[in-house]
Amino acid sequence: DQQVKQNSPSLSVQEGRISILNCDYTNSMFDYFLWYKKYPAEGPTFLISISSIKDKNEDGRFTVFLNKSAKHLSLHIVPSQPGDSAVYFCAASGSLSGTASKLTFGTGTRLQVTL
Amino acid sequence: GAGVSQTPSNKVTEKGKYVELRCDPISGHTALYWYRQSLGQGPEFLIYFQGTGAADDSGLPNDRFFAVRPEGSVSTLKIQRTERGDSAVYLCASSSGSSYNEQFFGPGTRLTVL
Repeated sequence: DQQVKQNSPSLSVQEGRISILNCDYTNSMFDYFLWYKKYPAEGPTFLISISSIKDKNEDGRFTVFLNKSAKHLSLHIVPSQPGDSAVYFCAASGSLSGTASKLTFGTGTRLQVTL
Repeated sequence: GAGVSQTPSNKVTEKGKYVELRCDPISGHTALYWYRQSLGQGPEFLIYFQGTGAADDSGLPNDRFFAVRPEGSVSTLKIQRTERGDSAVYLCASSSGSSYNEQFFGPGTRLTVL
């Protein structure tokens, strides 16, 4: 049972354009969502996060949108750069009593930014 | 400062052997996590430590897998009687231990069971 789903395994975008990566979740107990970026032979690197009390969080070229009613979040990268080419993972957690908890990951979307 | 480190980076073993994978978290991080990533999948949770104790081990697939963190810093993931299906990248992450904090990942150990 995949609780976090990334239905697009790959995405190709031209340099300078917007990249939009999507993620859906099924567990209504999730209240904190993160995006990670992964290069080959490296561990995932944290990009941006959002808690369920917000519907948008922005950090430079990266913006995450959360639609709780649709259980959907998206990551926008604008403008896209060749160095953004990587696999992007959506992850979710349900924090309990203010303590940390495990992350549940999607299967990833491979983004390729072309010149 | 230093990030999360994992050793070895690669481990090749034979079916039935015992392996140990080591994780050095970021200094001061109280929470430590182990995940396993198979080809084409996202990381899958195995176990989480808060300090020295395992706060959640619900992701360990069976009793061949065990992890320890005796002094609340370095952790070792131990796999007994390895099987070919155990082949994967084993990732370690650490965090400050409070909610709404990102987890910082190490580069992983690629385990291959022949």
